[in-house]
Amino acid sequence: DAKTTQPPSMDCAEGRAANLPCNHSTISGNEYVYWYRQIHSQGPQYIIHGLKNNETNEMASLIITEDRKSSTLILPHATLRDTAVYYCIVRVKISNFGNEKLTFGTGTRLTIIP
Amino acid sequence: DAGVTQSPTHLIKTRGQHVTLRCSPISGHKSVSWYQQVLGQGPQFIFQYYEKEERGRGNFPDRFSARQFPNYSSELNVNALLLGDSALYLCASSLAEREGHYNEQFFGPGTRLTVL
Repeated sequence: DAKTTQPPSMDCAEGRAANLPCNHSTISGNEYVYWYRQIHSQGPQYIIHGLKNNETNEMASLIITEDRKSSTLILPHATLRDTAVYYCIVRVKISNFGNEKLTFGTGTRLTIIP
Repeated sequence: DAGVTQSPTHLIKTRGQHVTLRCSPISGHKSVSWYQQVLGQGPQFIFQYYEKEERGRGNFPDRFSARQFPNYSSELNVNALLLGDSALYLCASSLAEREGHYNEQFFGPGTRLTVL
């Protein structure tokens, strides 16, 4: 799986959009970008994933650059409960019945400020 | 619906001892993975089991072993504990419904192991 680079920490004011960047310059054509987050003392939680088109769900939006070498996770209206460590993971999507290992980096610690 | 459950929530052991951690996946999920998370780092993959068979193994010594039972629950065993084994141990389950389709992993709250 391709390696990702994320800033170690970021702050965002409550109610504003939080934009979390991720670099994955060695991503290959069959690899997807996944985002997970981990709130303190809890297990990681899946947020969103995408291949090359922008994606949106009830939690966030994912913007992937045209060359796919970087992406941005957007939390449109950050709340205090969004304070967490956010992990950007690149991996192939094809699963061989249970072979779904996730390779986590150190992530970005996002702090939402009241 | 119950999520992934793990027991115990906290555990204190001494060096050289053995520990068994338990995980119950979400009902209907057939795949279970184990991760180790040392303080300040992201989770590191240890094992994945599907239908009671090992499907993946991370870079961990043979002191670490696991198994999956017919009801899809799982145990992680660590022998000859070292101080460096102190960590949060996370279990994740996935549906593993069909090949060629990514199966989202759902994580449990983890077991905090402290080795003294």
